[in-house]
Amino acid sequence: DTAVSQTPKYLVTQMGNDKSIKCEQNLGHDTMYWYKQDSKKFLKIMFSYNNKELIINETVPNRFSPKSPDKAHLNLHINSLELGDSAVYFCASSQDIAGGADTQYFGPGTRLTVL
Amino acid sequence: AQKVTQAQTEISVVEKEDVTLDCVYETRDTTYYLFWYKQPPSGELVFLIRRNSFDEQNEISGRYSWNFQKSTSSFNFTITASQVVDSAVYFCALSEAGRGSTLGRLYFGRGTQLTVWP
Repeated sequence: DTAVSQTPKYLVTQMGNDKSIKCEQNLGHDTMYWYKQDSKKFLKIMFSYNNKELIINETVPNRFSPKSPDKAHLNLHINSLELGDSAVYFCASSQDIAGGADTQYFGPGTRLTVL
Repeated sequence: AQKVTQAQTEISVVEKEDVTLDCVYETRDTTYYLFWYKQPPSGELVFLIRRNSFDEQNEISGRYSWNFQKSTSSFNFTITASQVVDSAVYFCALSEAGRGSTLGRLYFGRGTQLTVWP
């Protein structure tokens, strides 16, 4: 069983469209995250949720909106897609967020290409 | 300022060579955690190791070993007798035992691309 899964794995879309990426974890973790990996492989956190509560909201455009229907799911919705949004988006989860101690386990990534 | 620096952008070795990947970090916290992740060509991020700031013991796991030195703020990763399957991008990361919005934030280095040639 996959611990952290994301759908879709690949997403190709036109500028201006709205798209969503879904993430699910079956590890029983309380905390979930979204990271963006740019074309130079640099990984940067975007958001984190702990028990459905937003904890980290990095300075990303407000076209990006995370939604956590329950603690096992964290979806990422992107409005009005732009060329610069092309990247690989990783979802991750950890047992808790307390003190930064817990290991974050990553999903397989979603490669988003905006044409 | 970059909290995690991986100065080696790319390293190429021939199979069976030993290779060390450097990681230097910067933090004011006394409690923090260091991680290494592997990203093979298939793209997923694979967790390798976690170290807390109070545990400076070196760790060995098969062909992998890690050298944590607080005095030099370094957490280096050595692969002994490298294999082609070790070819990947390796990321070092730092998490601080902070408060508020720093909680759980992983700061990644820019990664080191390791290529092992047969």
